[in-house]
Amino acid sequence: SQQGEEDPQALSIQEGENATMNCSYKTSINNLQWYRQNSGRGLVHLILIRSNEREKHSGRLRVTLDTSKKSSSLLITASRAADTASYFCAPQGAGGFKTIFGAGTRLFVKA
Amino acid sequence: EAGVTQSPTHLIKTRGQQVTLRCSPISGHTSVYWYQQALGLGLQFLLWYDEGEERNRGNFPPRFSGRQFPNYSSELNVNALELEDSALYLCASSPGLKNTGELFFGEGSRLTVL
Repeated sequence: SQQGEEDPQALSIQEGENATMNCSYKTSINNLQWYRQNSGRGLVHLILIRSNEREKHSGRLRVTLDTSKKSSSLLITASRAADTASYFCAPQGAGGFKTIFGAGTRLFVKA
Repeated sequence: EAGVTQSPTHLIKTRGQQVTLRCSPISGHTSVYWYQQALGLGLQFLLWYDEGEERNRGNFPPRFSGRQFPNYSSELNVNALELEDSALYLCASSPGLKNTGELFFGEGSRLTVL
């Protein structure tokens, strides 16, 4: 199994600014996923990037993956107050699908 | 298509009691995962079931147990409740061992132990 570690633990920005969150992991992966959790709710899958991909976009989201550094970043551009949530990365290795989540990054977007 | 459903949404128990939480996965999904999230903390992996079998278990005492039924729904049982069991219990499902890895989460069951 894998566990990602998100950094920073918390991030506070103004609406319209970009938010960048980072994820590090320790062993080889098949893919890495990012999830969002609004307060007290279930997690929502945002984006999946495979180990042979370096960058992926989805709307205002941009994810990068550097397998040599065992790290990923999630960029949210032109943030909105509705982006306020916790964000989790989930690296997934081969041979099994037990998904372990880290403590997440808590993003606060001020209007 | 219905998403992952969990019941009950909220419940209050006292120390020493037992609780059963239920989860119905998305139709066609054979894997069910259970996570515990204490207030303000990350998700702790509890259990993973696929095709009716327990595939993996997190670092929790034996009083946390569960099962998966032939229709792939699942129950999480917690015996001898302790105050620190107060948490949001999240269930997630996926298409099974051949999936891409994406998990689909329910909205959770919030357990308060007094």
